[in-house]
Amino acid sequence: DAKTTQPNSMESNEEEPVHLPCNHSTISGTDYIHWYRQLPSQGPEYVIHGLTSNVNNRMASLAIAEDRKSSTLILHRATLRDAAVYYCILRSRRQGGSEKLVFGKGTKLTVNP
Amino acid sequence: AAGVIQSPRHLIKEKRETATLKCYPIPRHDTVYWYQQGPGQDPQFLISFYEKMQSDKGSIPDRFSAQQFSDYHSELNMSSLELGDSALYFCASSPAAGGSYNSPLHFGNGTRLTVT
Repeated sequence: DAKTTQPNSMESNEEEPVHLPCNHSTISGTDYIHWYRQLPSQGPEYVIHGLTSNVNNRMASLAIAEDRKSSTLILHRATLRDAAVYYCILRSRRQGGSEKLVFGKGTKLTVNP
Repeated sequence: AAGVIQSPRHLIKEKRETATLKCYPIPRHDTVYWYQQGPGQDPQFLISFYEKMQSDKGSIPDRFSAQQFSDYHSELNMSSLELGDSALYFCASSPAAGGSYNSPLHFGNGTRLTVT
C-alpha cells in the first residue's frame, strides 16, 4: 500500500481555518485520496475524498497538488467539535482484493477556544 | 439515516474465554470490514467480507474467526482470549466492492473489549 506522511499534531484556534497537509509521493494513478477523522471514543468518520481535482463538501475542502504527490484538507472554520485525529489514506483498487482502508499515523488536531 | 450497529458496546471477559462481536451494516451495504484499535494505536485492519465471502485478510490472529451471514450482518469470534486482545473493535460497511474503492466506509462506534 502506498504510504502517506502527516504531521503528528497541529493546533488551531476556534473559528479559524485549518490546513492539514499530507504527503503521498508514491501515489499511483488509480489511488484515491481519502480523509477520515476519529473523535475520541468513536469510530472513524469519513470526511472527503478525491482523485485529481479539488473537492468540496459540507465538512471540508480537499486541495490536491497538480502532481498528486501531496494534498491538503481544509477546514474553513474550525470548531471545538473538529478536535480529532485526521487520517489521510490512499485507497487503491486491488485485483481480487477488497478496497480496505489502511490507517497510518494521522494528525491530532487540537482546537483552542 | 441508519448507521452501522455494533453490539455489545462493552464486553468484559477473562483470559482464555471466548467472545463474539456482532456488526449490522447499513442496509444495502454488502461489504463489511473489521478493525482492531489498541490503546493509543491506529485502527488495524483484520478482515473483510463481500457478499458473504471473505474478501481480504489482515493481521487477524488464528484464534479469531469471522463470517458474514445471509442478511449481511457479520460476527467476529474470538477464542482463547489474551490480555493483549483488549481493544476497541470497529466494524465498517460500504456498498458493493467491485468499483467501490472510491466509496466511503461507514464505521460503527465499536465494541470495547476488556480482557482481565
